[in-house]
Amino acid sequence: GESVGLHLPTLSVQEGDNSIINCAYSNSASDYFIWYKQESGKGPQFIIDIRSNMDKRQGQRVTVLLNKTVKHLSLQIAATQPGDSAVYFCAEPWPPGYSSASKIIFGSGTRLSIRP
Amino acid sequence: NAGVTQTPKFQVLKTGQSMTLQCAQDMNHNSMYWYRQDPGMGLRLIYYSASEGTTDKGEVPNGYNVSRLNKREFSLRLESAAPSQTSVYFCASGATSGKNNEQFFGPGTRLTVL
Repeated sequence: GESVGLHLPTLSVQEGDNSIINCAYSNSASDYFIWYKQESGKGPQFIIDIRSNMDKRQGQRVTVLLNKTVKHLSLQIAATQPGDSAVYFCAEPWPPGYSSASKIIFGSGTRLSIRP
Repeated sequence: NAGVTQTPKFQVLKTGQSMTLQCAQDMNHNSMYWYRQDPGMGLRLIYYSASEGTTDKGEVPNGYNVSRLNKREFSLRLESAAPSQTSVYFCASGATSGKNNEQFFGPGTRLTVL
């Protein structure tokens, strides 16, 4: 079956704090992961991706960490802002490790809310 | 460059009615996708088209049909709508069918079946 899932359905953080959103996967062949952000009433938007030959990848205010030993990845958002309020999905191409994979499977999502 | 566009934005149907959801992309992408998203849940793949002239079933294809009309357009048809098909439908497109599969999503169609 499909591989990715998320740990928590909701996360509330104080504005200005760092946010950490977790995702687990089950298939050892999984080698590429994508994080999407979905704001209310909109379609998902690509944030950042990571390949299995990397442990860490940084973007603008976001960092993704990949721990292949425990099959876990996380999305860290620095200095969380009100505009970061959204649902965050981890996703992977399916089937995993297949160079011609043409579909993506999404986890169930974590809703991030920001306290003023 | 409009990206991915979907029509209509909202639709209410009665059980048994049929309709077609339209999707178009202007990014010259080979791959196109249809997803549904139920309240509080992730996206589930209905059908996808890896290239013009091909279509394949996703996770939840029952009750739907698709047509890849040309490289730009990918439509989703409900032949006999059921209340279980009440959902938000997203179309997406992607540049390749390989590992760098960043997908670009449309704004969604909110469908209610009474």
